[in-house]
Amino acid sequence: QSVLTQPPSVSAAPGQKVTISCSGRSSNIGNNFVSWYQHLPGTAPKLVIYDNYKRPSGIPDRFSGSKSGTSATLDITGLQTGDEADYYCGTWDSSLSNGVFGGGTKLTVL
Amino acid sequence: QVQLVQSGAEVKKPGASVQVSCTTSGYTFTGFHMHWVRHAPGQGLEWMGRITPNSGATKYAQNFQGRVTMTRDTSIGTVNMALSDLRSDDTAVYYCAREGSYDDLDHWGQGTLVTVS
Repeated sequence: QSVLTQPPSVSAAPGQKVTISCSGRSSNIGNNFVSWYQHLPGTAPKLVIYDNYKRPSGIPDRFSGSKSGTSATLDITGLQTGDEADYYCGTWDSSLSNGVFGGGTKLTVL
Repeated sequence: QVQLVQSGAEVKKPGASVQVSCTTSGYTFTGFHMHWVRHAPGQGLEWMGRITPNSGATKYAQNFQGRVTMTRDTSIGTVNMALSDLRSDDTAVYYCAREGSYDDLDHWGQGTLVTVS
């Protein structure tokens, strides 16, 4: 059981938009920075959003993040088949003094 | 450019210990925390702990307390993660990852597969 809650899967057609949610509590998302990671099979996870909404260099602006209260959201627009991956939200939990991740969301581009 | 290069795959028997190393380059080693994260088959990412290379201070996830030890060698820019009393459910890919400025993990090693069988 993960500390952060994500939907197990989402899907959409190429060119469409998808939203992935991440729900937590005040000790984690509510008072800490949220980051998002793209994980393709056989490769290392890749940071796509940090500081709730910022994109690292090289990440296209099709990826965007937001946070409100104890929830965060990753939006991906203009979906491409190459976006198919598992996506994880992550943050620090001040009560646990732990890093925490969501359970991951499998994105399928139909 | 920042690079994190991990040691190779390991196969261990239950009850044994394993050590995975992560050699860094391209940045000031003592300026950034280093984390360890694992990914077991069919599971999500799991945070194991972090080490502060400057001081050697560590913080471990409760799930691994007593079994995990993280160390660093500042002379060669390497961090190590040792896990003892291995069980079959420790079979996973283990990653080192550098912490960025906003509690994010901005650079990752390539991963090390540890098989316990």
